[in-house]
Amino acid sequence: RKEVEQDPGPFNVPEGATVAFNCTYSNSASQSFFWYRQDCRKEPKLLMSVYSSGNEDGRFTAQLNRASQYISLLIRDSKLSDSATYLCVVNAPNQAGTALIFGKGTTLSVSS
Amino acid sequence: GAVVSQHPSRVICKSGTSVKIECRSLDFQATTMFWYRQFPKQSLMLMATSNEGSKATYEQGVEKDKFLINHASLTLSTLTVTSAHPEDSSFYICSAASRDRPYEQYFGPGTRLTVT
Repeated sequence: RKEVEQDPGPFNVPEGATVAFNCTYSNSASQSFFWYRQDCRKEPKLLMSVYSSGNEDGRFTAQLNRASQYISLLIRDSKLSDSATYLCVVNAPNQAGTALIFGKGTTLSVSS
Repeated sequence: GAVVSQHPSRVICKSGTSVKIECRSLDFQATTMFWYRQFPKQSLMLMATSNEGSKATYEQGVEKDKFLINHASLTLSTLTVTSAHPEDSSFYICSAASRDRPYEQYFGPGTRLTVT
């Protein structure tokens, strides 16, 4: 089983749509969870951390289910500028320091 | 805040030569820096973790004698790809984290290496 698994997509949605991304992770000892956004040929940028109680940042809502080892990201009212690859990221508690493990990413394309 | 720079942004070199990539944290002290590699349509793969003043910890399968990492100060880490081969062509990205927020990594803009 891959350490962090995501549906690669692509998700092609119209502006204004709501879209949800899912992610599963294999290491039950992971404690920190994030969603990053990566634009084509650019570095990843932190979108939001994911907390156990769920958290929201504007149009973005993240949920964590530790029992199922499952993380989700919901984007409401999609904008053209949301088009990017969304990376599910968890920490790697068995490795040196505070290394992160990245999923392959889910590609979102928002069209007008 | 939390800006990380990387230099060069793009480099082309010939097989057998060495290339040095610099990673700098511009406005915070990076106690830990990470080096990743990303091949097209693949996820970022951690190559090594370095703590300031210590030897880097390499991930399994990453040759430490080929990918030399130095983290001599709290704002600078370097990755040297020695005796580069075409299969080393990739996107190399560094990230940095501070002591008080160890799980928040800030990424540099990446270096695209092409070995001919």
